[in-house]
Amino acid sequence: QKEVEQDPGPLSVPEGAIVSLNCTYSNSAFQYFMWYRQYSRKGPELLMYTYSSGNKEDGRFTAQVDKSSKYISLFIRDSQPSDSATYLCASQGAQKLVFGQGTRLTINP
Amino acid sequence: DGGITQSPKYLFRKEGQNVTLSCEQNLNHDAMYWYRQDPGQGLRLIYYSQIVNDFQKGDIAEGYSVSREKKESFPLTVTSAQKNPTAFYLCASSSSPTGWAYNEQFFGPGTRLTVL
Repeated sequence: QKEVEQDPGPLSVPEGAIVSLNCTYSNSAFQYFMWYRQYSRKGPELLMYTYSSGNKEDGRFTAQVDKSSKYISLFIRDSQPSDSATYLCASQGAQKLVFGQGTRLTINP
Repeated sequence: DGGITQSPKYLFRKEGQNVTLSCEQNLNHDAMYWYRQDPGQGLRLIYYSQIVNDFQKGDIAEGYSVSREKKESFPLTVTSAQKNPTAFYLCASSSSPTGWAYNEQFFGPGTRLTVL
């Protein structure tokens, strides 16, 4: 079993829709959870990170962690074509980051 | 302009050849990392270095080698022993080693290696 599991998609939604991206993790010791955005043929860039359980909001993006169910979510409101990318969730353990498989998202105008 | 540079952007290799991928950072970061990305598999850690002249194997180190002679440089050699080297390779750095406290990793633009 992978330590972080993510549905690879692909996911295609119309512009303006609310997008929900999800991951699960297995290691109870993980405390930090990140979402990276990766455009085609580019390196990932950090969107946001959260510590422990709870929500964190940044503009149209909301990250949510539920440690009781080991569930990580990213919500995108009012999605735009420029949001089309691969989204990677990651958890931080000792010495390294553990990444999910990445979900490829397309926002259709 | 601070950041991480990787070169070349595209690299083609014949079977049986060793190739070296370059990674340079001017962020004054102590820790550097190499990841491999394959379609549908996310990022997998190959090697990491917490300090100059020291490095550790990651999850998929077989067939790869690294060196860390300078703080700003962390080259990766893909050897002929690597059975399936065609992939997208990403270098990253962080100001201090990733431990239990949060420490953001910054990524370079990547090198796409294709074995012919």
